[in-house]
Amino acid sequence: DAGVIQSPRHEVTEMGQEVTLRCKPISGHDYLFWYRQTMMRGLELLIYFNNNVPIDDSGMPEDRFSAKMPNASFSTLKIQPSEPRDSAVYFCASSPGQYSNQPQHFGDGTRLSIL
Amino acid sequence: KQEVTQIPAALSVPEGENLVLNCSFTDSAIYNLQWFRQDPGKGLTSLLLIQSSQREQTSGRLNASLDKSSGRSTLYIAASQPGDSATYLCAVRGDSGANSKLTFGKGITLSVRP
Repeated sequence: DAGVIQSPRHEVTEMGQEVTLRCKPISGHDYLFWYRQTMMRGLELLIYFNNNVPIDDSGMPEDRFSAKMPNASFSTLKIQPSEPRDSAVYFCASSPGQYSNQPQHFGDGTRLSIL
Repeated sequence: KQEVTQIPAALSVPEGENLVLNCSFTDSAIYNLQWFRQDPGKGLTSLLLIQSSQREQTSGRLNASLDKSSGRSTLYIAASQPGDSATYLCAVRGDSGANSKLTFGKGITLSVRP
């Protein structure tokens, strides 16, 4: 089991640039989650998918953020245009079946710095 | 709106000490509570999950308790080891359905000194 794989691990880019974060969930997991972690706000859920369909995107901060899951093995989180306040660690997680009673498996995160 | 608080933010103890990490939440209407561990530069690893109807869960040297009515949970670590050094986060899931979100505390960074 390779675990949840995120890429890139680190991203440094200038304000205004488009940023794309990638996630490969654990095979067979039906749920996929995107989180953002900052010192000020802690860990926050941005959006989650069930069977590739977005279920709740109420945590997405604004229209500059978008997420897709074109198939069961791949998801992207895109920020366009990026701003310095988007700097954070972004985590992807996946879980099997009825996720409320199943632990979520986290990737190692993408540390994003917007200059 | 649910708020989860973990105090203190950091804790340093000598190896071998038994210790308790605290978590409090403002809305007692929860579905379950989880404790996670986060190592530097890594994601979260689930340690224990307690259903709202349960009082405690145990795994090895870890024991988590839940007092839903008072909005409190504790994570007890027995005979702490340097390898236990990490950040420990608790998270609660609301009872407005199985698909309600996890609300996380900001974590307690534990350092166990050899």
